[in-house]
Amino acid sequence: IAGITQAPTSQILAAGRRMTLRCTQDMRHNAMYWYRQDLGLGLRLIHYSNTAGTTGKGEVPDGYSVSRANTDDFPLTLASAVPSQTSVYFCASSEGGDGNSPLHFGNGTRLTVT
Amino acid sequence: GQNIDQPTEMTATEGAIVQINCTYQTSGFNGLFWYQQHAGEAPTFLSYNVLDGLEEKGRFSSFLSRSKGYSYLLLKELQMKDSASYLCASSDSNYQLIWGAGTKLIIKP
Repeated sequence: IAGITQAPTSQILAAGRRMTLRCTQDMRHNAMYWYRQDLGLGLRLIHYSNTAGTTGKGEVPDGYSVSRANTDDFPLTLASAVPSQTSVYFCASSEGGDGNSPLHFGNGTRLTVT
Repeated sequence: GQNIDQPTEMTATEGAIVQINCTYQTSGFNGLFWYQQHAGEAPTFLSYNVLDGLEEKGRFSSFLSRSKGYSYLLLKELQMKDSASYLCASSDSNYQLIWGAGTKLIIKP
């Protein structure tokens, strides 16, 4: 089934540890995104990539990094986790990076930093 | 600043009609999206409006007034499976999505 796969589904992480959240899509979409979702807040964009080889910063990029070596994969790395990074992380993709294409979301990674 | 406002929670009865409102203030405007998100699941796309007026898609319709910075999602013939959060998002002048916090819709039998 075509779509976006995120791993892991959930993770408990000690503060200060490094963690990479994985995201893979098989729809050949150009654009990919990482969002975090916190209770009472709207989805907030962390980083995005409009096409393979390029990345950009979103609304809340501090403490996170991404890479886009190919079309399918868009991993998100927390270099040194802090408790404020406890959240649900969603990876998404869209056919175009023009902001008018619907987003397709992965099932999310629930991350708890202790 | 950029802002999206929508009610935090609404309750409706199975079989009825409910309207979920969304007002937006963004730097520029390139369209308004509605997504549905069931608890513990990913958001899924419902509708996109870029021109004023009503877009109908089965039991769901979405309306946009650009002059008022206003949209609504209309759900007809409510079913229990419609219990979910409904997210409003506006695409700004840089084509970045600004998201509301979502409206949790509770359907009662």
